[in-house]
Amino acid sequence: GDSVTQMEGPVTLSEEAFLTINCTYTATGYPSLFWYVQYPGEGLQLLLKATKADDKGSNKGFEATYRKETTSFHLEKGSVQVSDSAVYFCALSDRSRSNYQLIWGAGTKLIIKP
Amino acid sequence: GAGVSQTPSNKVTEKGKYVELRCDPISGHTALYWYRQSLGQGPEFLIYFQGTGAADDSGLPNDRFFAVRPEGSVSTLKIQRTERGDSAMYLCASSLRSNTEAFFGQGTRLTVV
Repeated sequence: GDSVTQMEGPVTLSEEAFLTINCTYTATGYPSLFWYVQYPGEGLQLLLKATKADDKGSNKGFEATYRKETTSFHLEKGSVQVSDSAVYFCALSDRSRSNYQLIWGAGTKLIIKP
Repeated sequence: GAGVSQTPSNKVTEKGKYVELRCDPISGHTALYWYRQSLGQGPEFLIYFQGTGAADDSGLPNDRFFAVRPEGSVSTLKIQRTERGDSAMYLCASSLRSNTEAFFGQGTRLTVV
Protein backbone atom coordinates (compact mmCIF):
# COMPACT_ATOMS: atom_id res chain seq x y z
CA GLY A 1 0.00 0.00 0.00
CA ASP A 2 0.87 3.66 -0.15
CA SER A 3 3.33 4.94 2.42
CA VAL A 4 5.47 7.93 3.37
CA THR A 5 8.87 7.83 5.06
CA GLN A 6 10.52 10.92 6.45
CA MET A 7 13.72 11.47 8.36
CA GLU A 8 13.62 11.00 12.08
CA GLY A 9 14.01 13.93 14.39
CA PRO A 10 14.59 15.93 16.23
CA VAL A 11 16.59 18.05 13.86
CA THR A 12 18.42 20.83 15.69
CA LEU A 13 19.87 23.76 13.78
CA SER A 14 21.14 27.22 14.50
CA GLU A 15 19.29 30.24 13.22
CA GLU A 16 20.08 31.08 9.56
CA ALA A 17 21.23 27.52 8.82
CA PHE A 18 20.11 25.62 5.72
CA LEU A 19 17.37 23.07 6.29
CA THR A 20 16.61 19.82 4.53
CA ILE A 21 14.03 17.33 5.77
CA ASN A 22 13.94 14.21 3.62
CA CYS A 23 10.70 12.57 2.52
CA THR A 24 10.23 9.58 0.22
CA TYR A 25 7.02 7.87 -0.76
CA THR A 26 5.56 4.76 -2.34
CA ALA A 27 2.28 4.96 -4.21
CA THR A 28 0.52 2.82 -6.77
CA GLY A 29 -1.43 5.68 -8.33
CA TYR A 30 -0.77 9.35 -9.05
CA PRO A 31 -0.25 11.04 -5.71
CA SER A 32 -0.32 14.66 -4.75
CA LEU A 33 2.34 15.47 -2.17
CA PHE A 34 2.11 17.77 0.82
CA TRP A 35 4.07 19.21 3.69
CA TYR A 36 2.09 20.11 6.79
CA VAL A 37 3.43 21.96 9.82
CA GLN A 38 2.28 21.80 13.42
CA TYR A 39 3.43 24.67 15.62
CA PRO A 40 3.37 24.13 19.39
CA GLY A 41 -0.19 24.17 20.68
CA GLU A 42 -1.72 24.53 17.24
CA GLY A 43 -3.42 22.32 14.67
CA LEU A 44 -1.90 20.97 11.48
CA GLN A 45 -1.53 23.58 8.73
CA LEU A 46 -0.80 23.02 5.07
CA LEU A 47 2.65 24.44 4.31
CA LEU A 48 2.98 23.59 0.61
CA LYS A 49 1.93 21.06 -1.97
CA ALA A 50 2.72 19.69 -5.42
CA THR A 51 0.28 17.79 -7.58
CA LYS A 52 2.43 16.35 -10.37
CA ALA A 53 5.99 15.38 -11.19
CA ASP A 54 8.53 18.23 -11.33
CA ASP A 55 6.12 20.67 -9.66
CA LYS A 56 7.70 22.82 -6.97
CA GLY A 57 5.64 23.87 -3.98
CA SER A 58 6.75 26.91 -2.01
CA ASN A 59 5.55 28.97 0.93
CA LYS A 60 7.13 31.08 3.68
CA GLY A 61 10.61 30.47 2.25
CA PHE A 62 10.15 26.69 2.24
CA GLU A 63 10.35 24.71 -1.00
CA ALA A 64 9.88 21.11 -2.07
CA THR A 65 10.08 19.57 -5.55
CA TYR A 66 8.06 16.51 -6.59
CA ARG A 67 10.67 14.05 -7.92
CA LYS A 68 8.98 11.06 -9.50
CA GLU A 69 12.26 9.39 -10.51
CA THR A 70 13.46 9.27 -6.90
CA THR A 71 9.96 9.20 -5.34
CA SER A 72 10.96 12.07 -3.10
CA PHE A 73 9.59 15.39 -1.85
CA HIS A 74 12.32 16.84 0.34
CA LEU A 75 11.59 20.04 2.26
CA GLU A 76 14.22 22.81 2.11
CA LYS A 77 14.68 26.30 3.45
CA GLY A 78 17.71 28.46 2.89
CA SER A 79 17.81 30.28 6.22
CA VAL A 80 15.73 29.05 9.15
CA GLN A 81 14.39 31.18 11.97
CA VAL A 82 13.55 30.37 15.57
CA SER A 83 9.88 30.75 14.62
CA ASP A 84 10.23 27.76 12.25
CA SER A 85 10.53 25.43 15.25
CA ALA A 86 7.66 22.97 14.82
CA VAL A 87 6.84 19.43 13.75
CA TYR A 88 6.80 18.91 9.98
CA PHE A 89 4.76 16.14 8.33
CA CYS A 90 5.10 14.86 4.78
CA ALA A 91 1.91 13.38 3.35
CA LEU A 92 0.42 12.10 0.12
CA SER A 93 -3.04 11.88 -1.31
CA ASP A 94 -3.54 9.29 -4.01
CA ARG A 95 -6.01 10.59 -6.57
CA SER A 96 -6.90 7.06 -7.57
CA ARG A 97 -8.55 6.76 -4.17
CA SER A 98 -12.00 8.31 -4.23
CA ASN A 99 -11.79 9.53 -0.64
CA TYR A 100 -8.59 11.62 -1.08
CA GLN A 101 -7.43 10.58 2.38
CA LEU A 102 -4.00 11.74 3.43
CA ILE A 103 -1.29 9.18 4.18
CA TRP A 104 1.30 10.55 6.54
CA GLY A 105 4.90 10.25 7.55
CA ALA A 106 5.76 10.06 11.24
CA GLY A 107 6.74 13.71 11.48
CA THR A 108 10.07 15.45 12.04
CA LYS A 109 10.53 17.78 14.97
CA LEU A 110 12.61 20.83 14.07
CA ILE A 111 14.34 22.86 16.78
CA ILE A 112 15.98 26.14 15.82
CA LYS A 113 18.36 27.65 18.37
CA PRO A 114 19.08 31.39 18.37
CA GLY B 1 -15.61 30.63 14.10
CA ALA B 2 -13.58 30.53 10.96
CA GLY B 3 -11.78 27.25 11.53
CA VAL B 4 -12.50 23.64 12.40
CA SER B 5 -13.48 23.33 16.03
CA GLN B 6 -13.10 20.17 18.09
CA THR B 7 -14.48 19.63 21.56
CA PRO B 8 -13.45 18.78 24.14
CA SER B 9 -9.78 19.60 23.74
CA ASN B 10 -8.92 17.00 26.38
CA LYS B 11 -10.88 14.01 27.63
CA VAL B 12 -9.88 11.61 30.36
CA THR B 13 -12.10 8.58 30.78
CA GLU B 14 -12.00 5.27 32.56
CA LYS B 15 -11.50 2.01 30.75
CA GLY B 16 -14.81 0.59 29.60
CA LYS B 17 -16.62 3.92 29.41
CA TYR B 18 -18.29 5.46 26.37
CA VAL B 19 -17.01 8.74 24.89
CA GLU B 20 -18.14 11.15 22.21
CA LEU B 21 -15.82 13.55 20.41
CA ARG B 22 -17.30 16.44 18.46
CA CYS B 23 -16.15 18.20 15.31
CA ASP B 24 -17.56 21.45 13.91
CA PRO B 25 -16.23 21.82 10.36
CA ILE B 26 -15.84 25.03 8.42
CA SER B 27 -19.24 26.17 7.20
CA GLY B 28 -20.01 24.93 3.71
CA HIS B 29 -17.36 22.22 3.68
CA THR B 30 -18.86 19.01 2.36
CA ALA B 31 -15.97 16.65 3.07
CA LEU B 32 -15.06 15.72 6.63
CA TYR B 33 -12.32 13.39 7.85
CA TRP B 34 -11.40 11.85 11.18
CA TYR B 35 -7.81 10.81 11.87
CA ARG B 36 -6.11 9.32 14.93
CA GLN B 37 -2.57 10.27 15.91
CA SER B 38 -0.52 8.36 18.43
CA LEU B 39 2.44 9.99 20.13
CA GLY B 40 5.41 10.29 17.78
CA GLN B 41 3.44 9.10 14.78
CA GLY B 42 1.69 10.68 11.86
CA PRO B 43 -2.10 10.73 11.72
CA GLU B 44 -3.94 7.60 10.57
CA PHE B 45 -7.17 7.76 8.59
CA LEU B 46 -10.33 6.64 10.35
CA ILE B 47 -13.37 7.72 8.35
CA TYR B 48 -14.46 10.08 5.58
CA PHE B 49 -17.83 11.75 5.14
CA GLN B 50 -19.12 13.33 1.97
CA GLY B 51 -22.19 15.22 3.09
CA THR B 52 -24.19 13.15 5.55
CA GLY B 53 -22.97 9.73 4.54
CA ALA B 54 -19.86 7.86 5.59
CA ALA B 55 -18.27 7.38 2.18
CA ASP B 56 -15.33 5.39 3.55
CA ASP B 57 -15.07 3.95 7.06
CA SER B 58 -12.29 1.51 6.26
CA GLY B 59 -9.93 3.08 8.79
CA LEU B 60 -12.09 2.45 11.84
CA PRO B 61 -10.12 -0.08 13.89
CA ASN B 62 -13.08 -2.16 15.13
CA ASP B 63 -16.80 -2.03 15.78
CA ARG B 64 -16.36 -0.07 19.02
CA PHE B 65 -15.76 2.98 16.87
CA PHE B 66 -18.59 4.74 15.07
CA ALA B 67 -19.09 8.21 13.62
CA VAL B 68 -22.09 10.18 12.43
CA ARG B 69 -22.76 13.40 10.57
CA PRO B 70 -26.56 13.56 10.52
CA GLU B 71 -27.04 16.99 8.96
CA GLY B 72 -23.92 17.15 6.85
CA SER B 73 -22.18 19.56 9.18
CA VAL B 74 -21.22 18.62 12.76
CA SER B 75 -19.76 15.16 13.20
CA THR B 76 -19.44 13.02 16.31
CA LEU B 77 -16.95 10.21 16.76
CA LYS B 78 -18.24 7.67 19.26
CA ILE B 79 -16.12 5.09 21.05
CA GLN B 80 -17.73 2.35 23.10
CA ARG B 81 -16.08 0.30 25.86
CA THR B 82 -12.91 2.36 25.68
CA GLU B 83 -9.55 0.63 26.07
CA ARG B 84 -6.20 2.05 27.12
CA GLY B 85 -4.97 1.53 23.56
CA ASP B 86 -7.56 4.06 22.36
CA SER B 87 -5.54 6.83 24.02
CA ALA B 88 -4.42 9.19 21.26
CA MET B 89 -5.04 12.57 19.66
CA TYR B 90 -8.16 12.49 17.50
CA LEU B 91 -8.07 14.96 14.62
CA CYS B 92 -10.88 16.24 12.46
CA ALA B 93 -10.41 17.93 9.10
CA SER B 94 -12.81 19.43 6.60
CA SER B 95 -12.50 20.53 3.00
CA LEU B 96 -14.76 22.33 0.55
CA ARG B 97 -14.78 19.24 -1.63
CA SER B 98 -12.93 15.98 -1.30
CA ASN B 99 -10.06 17.00 -3.59
CA THR B 100 -9.35 20.43 -2.09
CA GLU B 101 -7.20 21.53 0.83
CA ALA B 102 -8.07 19.96 4.17
CA PHE B 103 -8.21 22.23 7.21
CA PHE B 104 -7.54 20.64 10.57
CA GLY B 105 -8.88 21.28 14.03
CA GLN B 106 -6.60 21.30 17.06
CA GLY B 107 -7.68 17.83 18.03
CA THR B 108 -9.09 16.09 21.08
CA ARG B 109 -6.55 14.35 23.28
CA LEU B 110 -8.21 11.23 24.65
CA THR B 111 -6.66 9.47 27.62
CA VAL B 112 -8.12 6.18 28.84
CA VAL B 113 -7.04 5.28 32.37
